[in-house]
This record gives sequence, C-alpha cells and structure tokens, in this order.
Amino acid sequence: DAKTTQPPSMDCAEGRAANLPCNHSTISGNEYVYWYRQIHSQGPQYIIHGLKNNETNEMASLIITEDRKSSTLILPHATLRDTAVYYCIVRVASNNAGNMLTFGGGTRLMVKP
Amino acid sequence: NAGVTQTPKFRILKIGQSMTLQCAQDMNHNYMYWYRQDPGMGLKLIYYSVGAGITDKGEVPNGYNVSRSTTEDFPLRLELAAPSQTSVYFCASSSSGRLTDTQYFGPGTRLTVL
Repeated sequence: DAKTTQPPSMDCAEGRAANLPCNHSTISGNEYVYWYRQIHSQGPQYIIHGLKNNETNEMASLIITEDRKSSTLILPHATLRDTAVYYCIVRVASNNAGNMLTFGGGTRLMVKP
Repeated sequence: NAGVTQTPKFRILKIGQSMTLQCAQDMNHNYMYWYRQDPGMGLKLIYYSVGAGITDKGEVPNGYNVSRSTTEDFPLRLELAAPSQTSVYFCASSSSGRLTDTQYFGPGTRLTVL
C-alpha cells in the first residue's frame, strides 16, 4: 500500500474553508484515496473517498491531482465540531476486512472561533 | 440500540498478568474488529472477524488472541501483559468489509501495563 504524508497540524477559522493536504506519490493505479477523521476519544469516522475524479458529499470535497500523487480534503465551512485528527489513507477498494483502517499520524485540525 | 459496548473502560495490569477485553454489538453485524491506538498515533488493526467462528490476524496480532463464538461478542484476550501493550483499545463492527462501510466504534478501553 502507498504511504501517505500529511502535515501534523493545521488551524482554521470557524466558518472558513479548511484545506487538508495529503501526499501519496507512490500510489498505484488501483488504489483509492480515503479520508477519515477522529474526534477526541472517539472512534474514526469515514468522510469520503476517490480514485481519480474529484468527489463531493455532504461532509466534504476531495480534490485529487491529475497525476494522483496528492490530494486535498476540503471542509467548506469549518465548525468547532470539525476539530479532529484527519487521516488520509490509500488502499485497494477490496472486500478484505484485513485491509481496513490502519493509518498513521494524520493532521490535527484545530478550528478556532 | 446500545451499538458497540466495551468493558472495562479503564484497567491497570501488572506485567505478566492476563485479561479479557469484552466487546459486544447489537446491530447484527457480521464484521468485527479490534484496534489499538498508542498515544499520538493512528489506529492499528489487531484482529478481525467476518462472522461467527471466523477470525484472522491484522497488522499487530502478537500477544493477543480472539474468539468469535456468537455474532454479538468478540472478546480480545491479552496473555502475559507487557508494557508495550499500554494503549487504548477500540472494538468496532460493520455490516460489510468495504472500506466505505461505516464502522461503528465502541468507547474504548484504556489499558496501562506497569
């Protein structure tokens, strides 16, 4: 599986867009980019995923560069409740439960009033 | 619905002691998982199960054992506790094994081995 690199921390003003970058320069053609977040003391929460096209859902948007070596998670109007650690992972989208949710340090996003 | 429940919430063990972390879910999910999260780090998968009677190793299974005799319960056994097993342990369940399938997490068990 491709390794990802994320900044350890970021700040964002409440109501502004939060843009969280992720580098995955060794990603292979059949690997998807997934984003999860973990609010303090809780289990992780799935946010969004994509292969090569940009994706949007009710929580966030995912922008993947044309060469797929990096991506950006966008929270369009960050709220205080979005303060969490955000994890970018790259995985093959299989049904193998053994591939699930193993990830590194993530980015600690602090949304400030 | 209680969701995923874990007991105990906190535990302190001495080196060499054993214990079982309990996990139960009432959502009739086939897939269940045990993760550990060390301070300031991400999750690591210890063991998982795709149904009653079926378990498999994750990334960090050494020092742990699991069983899945029913759909509802998925206990994690620590034999001969070591300081390296100091961590927060999360149990989770999901209806399928897809990465986009919502995994429901329990509140966690904070374990300290001294």
